[in-house]
Amino acid sequence: GAGVSQTPSNKVTEKGKYVELRCDPISGHTALYWYRQSLGQGPEFLIYFQGTGAADDSGLPNDRFFAVRPEGSVSTLKIQRTERGDSAVYLCASSLSQGEAYGYTFGSGTRLTVV
Amino acid sequence: GDSVTQMEGPVTLSEEAFLTINCTYTATGYPSLFWYVQYPGEGLQLLLKATKADDKGSNKGFEATYRKETTSFHLEKGSVQVSDSAVYFCARNDYKLSFGAGTTVTVRA
Repeated sequence: GAGVSQTPSNKVTEKGKYVELRCDPISGHTALYWYRQSLGQGPEFLIYFQGTGAADDSGLPNDRFFAVRPEGSVSTLKIQRTERGDSAVYLCASSLSQGEAYGYTFGSGTRLTVV
Repeated sequence: GDSVTQMEGPVTLSEEAFLTINCTYTATGYPSLFWYVQYPGEGLQLLLKATKADDKGSNKGFEATYRKETTSFHLEKGSVQVSDSAVYFCARNDYKLSFGAGTTVTVRA
């Protein structure tokens, strides 16, 4: 597609439930990033994929969070046993290769609300 | 650790006023520096970037110069418009972006 697509755009879930957030990057972009943006804050890095492998998952807050990219394109961020503190906008970005010289394109995000 | 610090907002200006948003970074090495903008109801968009010391990034009347000696990348615009109302984020990049907290700018007609 022309841009980075994230689905759903909004997700409301009950505390304790499991959720999956999807990111469809720009075709041909090998690098994919997940960020979390809480209200009034800048985006915080969660995890970075180069191809199919997670090159850096140091930003994942705990083991309830997991992400996959099995075929090197679409990625899914999975959150188990959701907590109210997980409420935020989850952003995905992709890049032709590893960042900077090629720029990053961000999706519009998934707004997750845990009630 | 490495971080980006930017001027706290909110900032409210009148149309045609001069805008400056300060940004400083700490880093080992020489990261690329970016300004991203988030208009109301929209996603993050790259505004401008600079990849090495003394580079000047510019776009839509905005400018920022990569100052290694002061580890700064301040954003400036000489004459703002109502349409510039947005949240502005400074960011540094090694292989991933690290963002500042954002500065909300409101321009009044």
